[in-house]
Amino acid sequence: QVQLVESGGGLVKPGGSLRLSCAASGFTFSDYYMSWIRQAPGKGLEWVSYISSSGSTTHYADSVKGRFTISRDNAKKSLYLQMNSLRAEDTAVYYCAGRGDFDYWGQGTLVSVSS
Amino acid sequence: QPVLTQSSSASASLGSSVKLTCTLSSGHSSYIIAWHQQQPGKAPRYLMKLESSGSYNKGSGVPDRFSGSGSGADRYLTISNLQSEDEADYYCETWNGNTQVFGGGTKLTVL
Repeated sequence: QVQLVESGGGLVKPGGSLRLSCAASGFTFSDYYMSWIRQAPGKGLEWVSYISSSGSTTHYADSVKGRFTISRDNAKKSLYLQMNSLRAEDTAVYYCAGRGDFDYWGQGTLVSVSS
Repeated sequence: QPVLTQSSSASASLGSSVKLTCTLSSGHSSYIIAWHQQQPGKAPRYLMKLESSGSYNKGSGVPDRFSGSGSGADRYLTISNLQSEDEADYYCETWNGNTQVFGGGTKLTVL
């Protein structure tokens, strides 16, 4: 069955960096464009970034532009999010999602930014 | 860019039906949207994509009780024969060439 498994979350100090990973299985990863979506504690869903199926096109929310970088490795069926210059307001559960004729969601990984 | 508006809350009785609304901003009434369900403490789950015509395609395992429809800028998610497990937050989402947007979500309470 379809699985998206995020990893790499944790506690980091303001200004620090983290790299999230998302391992995909059960569907043709290279056919799907992929997104990162986050949810701050008690809040709604917020789109963060997406990448095209080939990896040639990327887009970012204004709130993370210049600080976050999305990438993918289709051979490894993996999606990544490099997060630099982290701020307290980046604290959230981060989900990866596969977007195609049908969408798939991972279970999320928690990122906490605090001194 | 598009904006999606949802009511913050809704409630309905066990076994009844409820219709949730997602409204697209002016100039974006032709956009396709997606509906996602988030049960308490869980990750979101894809329910369906819904076109302006009202046609939709549901995700694997989504019960027949869930259906979609549309009228102009409004997109609806109807849940019939409400079950206790339908108590959840429901988010609509849309996208264009360079952004994706979520509505604020509707918290559905099953009485």
